[in-house]
Amino acid sequence: QVQLVQSGAEVKKPGASVKVSCKASGYPFSGYYMHWVRQAPGQGLEWMGRINPGSDDTDYAEKFQGRVTMTTDTSTTTAYMELSSLRSDDTAVYYCAREIVVVPAAGGSYRWFNPWGQGTQVTVSS
Amino acid sequence: EIVLTQSPGTLSLSPGERATLSCRASQSVSANSLAWYQQKPGQAPRLVIHGASYRAFGIPDRFSGSGSGTAFTLTISRLEPEDFAVYYCQQYGSSYSFGQGTKLEIK
Repeated sequence: QVQLVQSGAEVKKPGASVKVSCKASGYPFSGYYMHWVRQAPGQGLEWMGRINPGSDDTDYAEKFQGRVTMTTDTSTTTAYMELSSLRSDDTAVYYCAREIVVVPAAGGSYRWFNPWGQGTQVTVSS
Repeated sequence: EIVLTQSPGTLSLSPGERATLSCRASQSVSANSLAWYQQKPGQAPRLVIHGASYRAFGIPDRFSGSGSGTAFTLTISRLEPEDFAVYYCQQYGSSYSFGQGTKLEIK
């Protein structure tokens, strides 16, 4: 079945970088965008950006431009999200999620995220 | 950026009751790209509704979605104990965004 399995929890000091992985299985990895979403403690979901594994094209949320780098390794069907210059308010659970895109004949597109990875806790603390 | 506002923030109901959750957009959103997710404590979000009104695979038919333009609704016709969770709406326009969530709690 389609599955996304993320790497384990990380503890980092302010100013450091973190790289989270997301191993995909059960579907053609290059055919679907992979997104990254984070959730600070007790807060809602925040979209960070996406990557096309087939082309490595990326779109980042303006808030994270310059600090986030999303990459993929098609040989291992793994997506990566690296966040640099970490601050305490980057403490959050980070999720990867596969985007489904359906383009009907009438035009437009249907888009949704399914499935999601289990999440990776990143704690930034001195 | 399209801002999604969900209401109420918290909804307290009993099993068997009907739940109506609202998601309003700051500008018109294509219904094609309006989705709802359910999140339980310590778990990843789970897709409930896509395309504003289509139930995801495995979602019971007590869940339904509706709406267009700037106003969307998730309805749970008869609440079961496992339905109590936080629900998020999400849209894709020129970018992606989520609502702040509605917590559905047991009264």
